[in-house]
Amino acid sequence: NAGVTQTPKFQVLKTGQSMTLQCAQDMNHEYMSWYRQDPGMGLRLIHYSVGAGITDQGEVPNGYNVSRSTTEDFPLRLLSAAPSQTSVYFCASSLSGRVSYNEQFFGPGTRLTVL
Amino acid sequence: GQQVMQIPQYQHVQEGEDFTTYCNSSTTLSNIQWYKQRPGGHPVFLIQLVKSGEVKKQKRLTFQFGEAKKNSSLHITATQTTDVGTYFCAGISNDYKLSFGAGTTVTVRA
Repeated sequence: NAGVTQTPKFQVLKTGQSMTLQCAQDMNHEYMSWYRQDPGMGLRLIHYSVGAGITDQGEVPNGYNVSRSTTEDFPLRLLSAAPSQTSVYFCASSLSGRVSYNEQFFGPGTRLTVL
Repeated sequence: GQQVMQIPQYQHVQEGEDFTTYCNSSTTLSNIQWYKQRPGGHPVFLIQLVKSGEVKKQKRLTFQFGEAKKNSSLHITATQTTDVGTYFCAGISNDYKLSFGAGTTVTVRA
């Protein structure tokens, strides 16, 4: 199993550009989520999905869109990049459609810089 | 909304010494998870605590869940250089919302 994979590893964008961060897992996990990590702020939940076709907003969803058309993939779209979106982005998955009682497996992260 | 506070933010430890990091929630939690992130890496699951007053050990790491299920601690004995990294707690509320603490970043002096 590859676990949770993310592409790209690094990305530089100009303000106003759009892009999609890719996330895939091969563990047949129901639950997938996106976090951003900023210094001193821990991991903040952007969007999550409890199963294919179901998504919901997390703590900091503004400026981001997600979709979940398959169990394996959960892409994160930045609609119009802003410098405030400079961060490290982690995708995570866990077995159940609910977070409780299941560990989360994190991908290696995407380091995004918006100029 | 639910908030999880973690202290201290930074912990500088002499190799061989013990230290503790604390996690406090503003609301009662269903369960709590702990993760470790090595520098430049991604968070890796360490453990989950579910029961009030629960204590679990992993070698030199001892995890506790408070009686009121609103706080937790991670105690590391005889710190080694391999313990370097950031330790996060993640509290899960009764309505299945997960909230991460800001983390405790540990450095070790040899």
